[in-house]
Amino acid sequence: DTEVTQTPKHLVMGMTNKKSLKCEQHMGHRAMYWYKQKAKKPPELMFVYSYEKLSINESVPSRFSPECPNSSLLNLHLHALQPEDSALYLCASSQEGGLSGGPNNQPQHFGDGTRLSIL
Amino acid sequence: GQQLNQSPQSMFIQEGEDVSMNCTSSSIFNTWLWYKQDPGEGPVLLIALYKAGELTSNGRLTAQFGITRKDSFLNISASIPSDVGIYFCAGIPISYNQGGKLIFGQGTELSVKP
Repeated sequence: DTEVTQTPKHLVMGMTNKKSLKCEQHMGHRAMYWYKQKAKKPPELMFVYSYEKLSINESVPSRFSPECPNSSLLNLHLHALQPEDSALYLCASSQEGGLSGGPNNQPQHFGDGTRLSIL
Repeated sequence: GQQLNQSPQSMFIQEGEDVSMNCTSSSIFNTWLWYKQDPGEGPVLLIALYKAGELTSNGRLTAQFGITRKDSFLNISASIPSDVGIYFCAGIPISYNQGGKLIFGQGTELSVKP
């Protein structure tokens, strides 16, 4: 069983709907991530939160809005999505700080994702 | 930008055979990670490597962090049907100074014939 829990597992929504994806981890990790993944392709980074603050936004369209209410939770708010946004959305978390005293080089642990379909 | 070249793209093997896949880059990496992804699930971390030359095993899996810090390989011995899936290498380049941003390879899709 994964230690990163994502809900819902599946989501179908129209282009005018507003919905949210949720992610929760209880490993004490202080970095959390959102990825988008198309079939048989590697995950593409969208956002990184470090100590509950947004540290990286990979030029993601504003129809995706992330939120980190606390160190265990990460949300992705969706509004006015396009059909090309249909994909598997993965959440991941990692410890902050590197073993070698350098930048964060800790492995990321992924949830099972939310399969999103835009009608 | 940073890229990882992962090969092969796909493999079709007989149960019991050994498997080898690798990732190379023109950049130096701090960390190499190997993940496996089954259909409908998220990537699962198999092995993490932190030092050049490091050789680590996890059951039938063995991975190495290349001496040049620009490559890594994953071997699977005596494959079984449940080894089927997509294997991704991922790395953290030494040039990244925050966020633990991962660079992923394109994946190796493994099929095992019983």
